[in-house]
Amino acid sequence: AQSVSQHNHHVILSEAASLELGCNYSYGGTVNLFWYVQYPGQHLQLLLKYFSGDPLVKGIKGFEAEFIKSKFSFNLRKPSVQWSDTAEYFCAVKAPNGNNRLAFGKGNQVVVIP
Amino acid sequence: DTAVSQTPKYLVTQMGNDKSIKCEQNLGHDTMYWYKQDSKKFLKIMFSYNNKELIINETVPNRFSPKSPDKAHLNLHINSLELGDSAVYFCASSQVDRANEQFFGPGTRLTVL
Repeated sequence: AQSVSQHNHHVILSEAASLELGCNYSYGGTVNLFWYVQYPGQHLQLLLKYFSGDPLVKGIKGFEAEFIKSKFSFNLRKPSVQWSDTAEYFCAVKAPNGNNRLAFGKGNQVVVIP
Repeated sequence: DTAVSQTPKYLVTQMGNDKSIKCEQNLGHDTMYWYKQDSKKFLKIMFSYNNKELIINETVPNRFSPKSPDKAHLNLHINSLELGDSAVYFCASSQVDRANEQFFGPGTRLTVL
């Protein structure tokens, strides 16, 4: 079945450490890719998105993601995290011919220790 | 101005009751969605409406019935609530010709006792 995979569901790291969250998808064709963040008790907010063009995408709050088509991946990175980055992070993919459906990964719970 | 709003924010009710959750978006989008987020934070789409027409209907019990009176509103009615319905329900909206970036509402935490 076509899917979106996020590994290492629980990530714990210290402030100033670097963060990388993996996202792999199994859809063929042209895809649109998203990373959403959900802070504790809040709704999902868009961090960044990729539609076309430069595969290295810059988002809000110092996050970036790189689309590697050959690897079907869209990994999220931040060079130096802060305590306020503690949140759940979701990768999402809009596949072609999917009735505008977004397929979400299971999320990464990131805890940043001050 | 709230882009996607939901009411109520919290809903606590007994098993067997019928309840509704309302969603409104003021973004002018043509597509709206309902998602269920379980206790493990897994996000699963339930329904999607485009211009008041149902386009996605996942494997959801028919106790759940969405209603879209106009393209700015998508309400979710749940009959005969069960314990397993306890979750956070998120409404979202998007515009089809903007590559489907979805905007989410604040969520409704439903607790069935």
